[in-house]
Amino acid sequence: DAGVIQSPRHEVTEMGQEVTLRCKPISGHDYLFWYRQTMMRGLELLIYFNNNVPIDDSGMPEDRFSAKMPNASFSTLKIQPSEPRDSAVYFCASSRQGATGNTIYFGEGSWLTVV
Amino acid sequence: DAKTTQPPSMDCAEGRAANLPCNHSTISGNEYVYWYRQIHSQGPQYIIHGLKNNETNEMASLIITEDRKSSTLILPHATLRDTAVYYCIVRPPYNQGGKLIFGQGTELSVKP
Repeated sequence: DAGVIQSPRHEVTEMGQEVTLRCKPISGHDYLFWYRQTMMRGLELLIYFNNNVPIDDSGMPEDRFSAKMPNASFSTLKIQPSEPRDSAVYFCASSRQGATGNTIYFGEGSWLTVV
Repeated sequence: DAKTTQPPSMDCAEGRAANLPCNHSTISGNEYVYWYRQIHSQGPQYIIHGLKNNETNEMASLIITEDRKSSTLILPHATLRDTAVYYCIVRPPYNQGGKLIFGQGTELSVKP
């Protein structure tokens, strides 16, 4: 199993530009999560999907952020327009619902720098 | 908000057992205790989880107190590669959200 795959691994962009982060969850997983990590705020849950449907987006910081999951094998997190304070590591994670608790597997992250 | 309390940092000698404590006094009966770790610049890595009983796998052991208000993660023979931030997380079942909410964790330093 290839694990959760994220792209790009690193991105440097200028303030005001659109940023799109991509995620391929583990095959067969029906939950997908987007997290953001900064030194100041630690790991924050932004949004999560179940069967491609957004369930909880209460962690999305503002309207500049949007996430989609058009199918079971692909999700995007978009920032438009980007700002320097969006600089962070963005993690995608996935899991499969089961009876006895479920492991969430994380990707290696997308390191975003907005200058 | 995170529902757990962990010491911010701990040291451990290489080859010795590392015992990482976690308090979760407000845990509900159907919430699981999960442990993850994050090695610098990598994504969080699952270690172990439990509901009521003690658990053991190839990485670690999880000891949960009978009242479930605290737990201890045990790395039996710590190595330098175990240096990481360890997160203790209380997680509701999926029919109540199932979200993993991370706190600040414990930064474990394994020293030679």
